[in-house]
Amino acid sequence: IAGITQAPTSQILAAGRRMTLRCTQDMRHNAMYWYRQDLGLGLRLIHYSNTAGTTGKGEVPDGYSVSRANTDDFPLTLASAVPSQTSVYFCASSVTGTANTEAFFGQGTRLTVV
Amino acid sequence: TQLLEQSPQFLSIQEGENLTVYCNSSSVFSSLQWYRQEPGEGPVLLVTVVTGGEVKKLKRLTFQFGDARKDSSLHITAAQPGDTGLYLCAGGNTGNQFYFGTGTSLTVIP
Repeated sequence: IAGITQAPTSQILAAGRRMTLRCTQDMRHNAMYWYRQDLGLGLRLIHYSNTAGTTGKGEVPDGYSVSRANTDDFPLTLASAVPSQTSVYFCASSVTGTANTEAFFGQGTRLTVV
Repeated sequence: TQLLEQSPQFLSIQEGENLTVYCNSSSVFSSLQWYRQEPGEGPVLLVTVVTGGEVKKLKRLTFQFGDARKDSSLHITAAQPGDTGLYLCAGGNTGNQFYFGTGTSLTVIP
């Protein structure tokens, strides 16, 4: 059972470079999310998508973009990475975008911007 | 601005002790979830509460949703080393997004 797969697992990236974090789910969930996790700040929502073809901004969207061309994939792009984007990034999905459904998380991508 | 604040941020207790973790907000949520995260893994759902004043029990864990649906608590009775982890609350809103709290790192010492 794969669930949600994130790639890469970790990455060291030079500041100013472009980077796409990949996220694929095989559960046919409608909603998908991207979070970043920093010590003392918990998980902060970056972008979300309630269904294929739609996206929305979360708490900390600046410097990030997403697309949702199909149900399974939800890539997160950093157009020009900065050191403050050093973090652990988690992709998640849920059956629907309603607030009381369970979110399933990937294993995370540890990104270091130098 | 973090919508949900958790306290304490860190907690280290002896096996067998009881503890309570708090999740507070100035916003009203349509639901409140609690997740547990192990190192190197993503969070895993423990419980969802949707009604103000609701109490749910999961073995030694008791979850309560505040009457005004702005806060929640997690109480663990007779903590065990296996309870060690990061506990996260998450509020759901009418826009259908989950907003997570700042997290409580629990260490239970054998």
